[in-house]
Amino acid sequence: SAVISQKPSRDICQRGTSLTIQCQVDSQVTMMFWYRQQPGQSLTLIATANQGSEATYESGFVIDKFPISRPNLTFSTLTVSNMSPEDSSIYLCSVAAGWAEAFFGQGTRLTVV
Amino acid sequence: QKEVEQNSGPLSVPEGAIASLNCTYSDRGSQSFFWYRQYSGKSPELIMSIYSNGDKEDGRFTAQLNKASQYVSLLIRDSQPSDSATYLCAVNWRDGGTASKLTFGTGTRLQVTL
Repeated sequence: SAVISQKPSRDICQRGTSLTIQCQVDSQVTMMFWYRQQPGQSLTLIATANQGSEATYESGFVIDKFPISRPNLTFSTLTVSNMSPEDSSIYLCSVAAGWAEAFFGQGTRLTVV
Repeated sequence: QKEVEQNSGPLSVPEGAIASLNCTYSDRGSQSFFWYRQYSGKSPELIMSIYSNGDKEDGRFTAQLNKASQYVSLLIRDSQPSDSATYLCAVNWRDGGTASKLTFGTGTRLQVTL
């Protein structure tokens, strides 16, 4: 399985500001995925990051709020924009392998105050 | 809407017993099914995958799949305190393009007691 490094591991941010989360993979992958896990909840897919094209967002998530970059096959960023306390969550980067199983980075625990 | 349902628990089993975790899903087109273990404060870790009807065993873990009933289960034999975690069921689906995505259940919290 791929080794996925995500940073920062945690942050406390002021409302109204933005945070960019970085995800680095040790091998080239076609697709990278960004998930959100709100407190006590399961994982919800935010978007799929494709190299060379716009990210594909799931229902309820928009590019203005969660812009994503995918400059190459080993790196992606997710920005959480104009944050509010409702954005306090764990954000997880993942890559798919084989028969669609997903492997995850260690996550970014975001608290918005 | 793709849905994956799990009992949130907690499921409490004594050490050495068999823990049985269940999951149902809504999309009949799903082909791949996964169980993840998530310790508190950690990211999910893949422990089992299953693609065909029947049982798949890996050590103390057995995954069972019944596509006709849209049902997936995970059995943990000889449960250990270190198995205490939240277990997430995940089911794949395709968005009409090339991307294969996962929908996760809400997870079942397992507590193995001494």
